[in-house]
Amino acid sequence: GENVEQHPSTLSVQEGDSAVIKCTYSDSASNYFPWYKQELGKGPQLIIDIRSNVGEKKDQRIAVTLNKTAKHFSLHITETQPEDSAVYFCAAHNWLTGGGNKLTFGTGTQLKVEL
Amino acid sequence: EAQVTQNPRYLITVTGKKLTVTCSQNMNHEYMSWYRQDPGLGLRQIYYSMNVEVTDKGDVPEGYKVSRKEKRNFPLILESPSPNQTSLYFCASSKTGTTFSTDTQYFGPGTRLTVL
Repeated sequence: GENVEQHPSTLSVQEGDSAVIKCTYSDSASNYFPWYKQELGKGPQLIIDIRSNVGEKKDQRIAVTLNKTAKHFSLHITETQPEDSAVYFCAAHNWLTGGGNKLTFGTGTQLKVEL
Repeated sequence: EAQVTQNPRYLITVTGKKLTVTCSQNMNHEYMSWYRQDPGLGLRQIYYSMNVEVTDKGDVPEGYKVSRKEKRNFPLILESPSPNQTSLYFCASSKTGTTFSTDTQYFGPGTRLTVL
């Protein structure tokens, strides 16, 4: 089945700097790649997503890039702020594996933005 | 407010004592799913339901049961909990759940379960 690897597991940046989180997936049939942000004590919340027919997508300070050939995708956060501190999960959806709207998640990145 | 609710939020129980974690959504979503989150493992799907009376196993279904009698509710049942089921559980829902669906999944706030 699909396997998603995520790096780094922890990331500490200074306020205003950029943060990059990287994920790789194993199955070339995966076609949808969402990113979720999980704040302490809350459930994951979708922040941005990208489909396999697009190479890059941007939403204000957040951007996601996808390299289908290399089977990896990345989350870029610019001008980081303390409220960006959270755990971030990447995920992949593979319509060939069934399971309905099933997502395979990475292991998460704890981002800490320091003042 | 559109949301997914779970109860209880925290639960401490003992081995073998049956328990149910409830999940409810008010968005008229067809697809609902349960995940467990463990350190270093991310979120793994336990069971899912594409619609009322339609449920199927996810990646880690052993020791769990579910039912989908109504569209809005999707309870998770642990008939005989064991310590290895100590985890953080999330319910999620999306508008549709076909194999080709990539509808956004909305997650509940989580239930932290400890089995002694």
